[in-house]
Amino acid sequence: DGGITQSPKYLFRKEGQNVTLSCEQNLNHDAMYWYRQDPGQGLRLIYYSQIVNDFQKGDIAEGYSVSREKKESFPLTVTSAQKNPTAFYLCASRDTNYNEQFFGPGTRLTVL
Amino acid sequence: GENVEQHPSTLSVQEGDSAVIKCTYSDSASNYFPWYKQELGKRPQLIIDIRSNVGEKKDQRIAVTLNKTAKHFSLHITETQPEDSAVYFCAASISSGNEKLTFGTGTRLTIIP
Repeated sequence: DGGITQSPKYLFRKEGQNVTLSCEQNLNHDAMYWYRQDPGQGLRLIYYSQIVNDFQKGDIAEGYSVSREKKESFPLTVTSAQKNPTAFYLCASRDTNYNEQFFGPGTRLTVL
Repeated sequence: GENVEQHPSTLSVQEGDSAVIKCTYSDSASNYFPWYKQELGKRPQLIIDIRSNVGEKKDQRIAVTLNKTAKHFSLHITETQPEDSAVYFCAASISSGNEKLTFGTGTRLTIIP
């Protein structure tokens, strides 16, 4: 499981504030992913990146933004445009030679 | 796009009995089907996966079956143990390079001692 870290574990923000979630990996993986997990809804893909300086929208990208300036890092910004940002956010990475995605420990974001 | 349905949403079985979780997918082009286990408060972890060129795969007490014609796949856990209690997610993707996974909504499995 090691190699993918997310920080912080818990995050509280006031409504209307942007917040950035960190995701770092030292697995030398090219591909990285951001998912949102809500009770009863499984994991939904927000953004993904196959290579540095390139990323694509997933199924629920509205209100989120990402960057991929370094191979090891794929930060996710939850903007004030996201209508319901309170959720558990999971980052994952993958060696593009294989299928398996490895998940980070997650960040639980609560917007007050 | 792909849609994955998963049933049941909750499942309770006696320790030692078998558990079966079923998923259906909509996109016939999907060819990779992983199963993830998520224990309470922890990250999802891959427990088994199957490709569309295989009908069944086993790993000790865990097996996955795939029916491409019917577009459904199932997870089978035999001789269940308390540590099998968790939420299980199925997923589907097309192995085209980006491996975008579409997940089912999860099954909360509880093993009754």
